[in-house]
Amino acid sequence: DQQVKQNSPSLSVQEGRISILNCDYTNSMFDYFLWYKKYPAEGPTFLISISSIKDKNEDGRFTVFLNKSAKHLSLHIVPSQPGDSAVYFCAASERGGSQGNLIFGKGTKLSVKP
Amino acid sequence: DTGVSQDPRHKITKRGQNVTFRCDPISEHNRLYWYRQTLGQGPEFLTYFQNEAQLEKSRLLSDRFSAERPKGSFSTLEIQRTEQGDSAMYLCASSLALGQYNEQFFGPGTRLTVL
Repeated sequence: DQQVKQNSPSLSVQEGRISILNCDYTNSMFDYFLWYKKYPAEGPTFLISISSIKDKNEDGRFTVFLNKSAKHLSLHIVPSQPGDSAVYFCAASERGGSQGNLIFGKGTKLSVKP
Repeated sequence: DTGVSQDPRHKITKRGQNVTFRCDPISEHNRLYWYRQTLGQGPEFLTYFQNEAQLEKSRLLSDRFSAERPKGSFSTLEIQRTEQGDSAMYLCASSLALGQYNEQFFGPGTRLTVL
């Protein structure tokens, strides 16, 4: 049973527009959420995170929104750039990550077209 | 660059052989994690260490897998009697568990192919 779901395997966006990547989770014990970006043949790179006490966190072009009642989070990238083309993974953990393991979704492949 | 490093980056082996991977975490990080990623999936947790203590093991970590972190610095992951199903990217991550929340930083991974 998948606890973290990214239902869109791929997303294509025009350069300069907004990219919105979505993630749903089922475990109500998750209290810390992270987004990672992954290029081919590289490890995931940490992008941004949010704790369950917040509903929004912003870092430059990246904003993560958390809707706890809907068990849904999203990553907004504005404006999108061709270098943002990668696979984006949503991850979640319990107790702020003190449990050790992160639970990942299957990823969404973002293509930003010039 | 003082990020997480992994060695080797690629390993091709024959079924039944033993393989060992190494991970060097970010130097001040006290936690070290191993994950496995197969095609079309996100990383799946295998095990993690706090300093030299192995605190958690996933049910994915069969008896053929063993991990060590002898001095609380680098770690090794050994797979004995490899099977074709072990073919995957093996990822190492590290974090500094000080505050309430801790991000994990990943290395480039070791891609294992079992023939």
